[in-house]
Amino acid sequence: SQQGEEDPQALSIQEGENATMNCSYKTSINNLQWYRQNSGRGLVHLILIRSNEREKHSGRLRVTLDTSKKSSSLLITASRAADTASYFCATEANDYKLSFGAGTTVTVRA
Amino acid sequence: EPEVTQTPSHQVTQMGQEVILRCVPISNHLYFYWYRQILGQKVEFLVSFYNNEISEKSEIFDDQFSVERPDGSNFTLKIRSTKLEDSAMYFCASGGGTGEQYFGPGTRLTVT
Repeated sequence: SQQGEEDPQALSIQEGENATMNCSYKTSINNLQWYRQNSGRGLVHLILIRSNEREKHSGRLRVTLDTSKKSSSLLITASRAADTASYFCATEANDYKLSFGAGTTVTVRA
Repeated sequence: EPEVTQTPSHQVTQMGQEVILRCVPISNHLYFYWYRQILGQKVEFLVSFYNNEISEKSEIFDDQFSVERPDGSNFTLKIRSTKLEDSAMYFCASGGGTGEQYFGPGTRLTVT
């Protein structure tokens, strides 16, 4: 399985702090995507990073990808209460299906 | 901003009944997907659909499942004879071919 696995499982931070979560996977990928899910709701696409890219930014999000270590990280800077959610990485090989990890639950305390 | 929509938001059905879950993908997208998430578990791939046929399916997607794009806008998932273990959140997603997959809000299926 090439499923991503996130670390840590849960993260609690103070508003304004940065949150970092990691994702590891097992096999070669075409791209890796990060999603956010608020409790019981749908998956919101955050960012996609391709296998030939090392870093991408989108607003307060920064994603890195290290294909030699088969790992990725998601950094959320200056966190807000609205960032409280579960964050999932999902990998795609050349088969157009996404393999999801179990997610990191982030709680931002006011 | 275009969104994937799904109906109904919640479906309750009795074991053995057929259900049809409906999705309207983003209008210019060509790739369509169904995923499911059993409560407390990972999101799992079910099936992908492109050019009016299934391009990939998982072991979960057995003969009880089928997909259809009956017209230019809808994409449906049918479960012929539901089982208790089919209870889950079902997500539809669509993509334009650049890799990103955009998910709908999901249909919560409860089989009693």
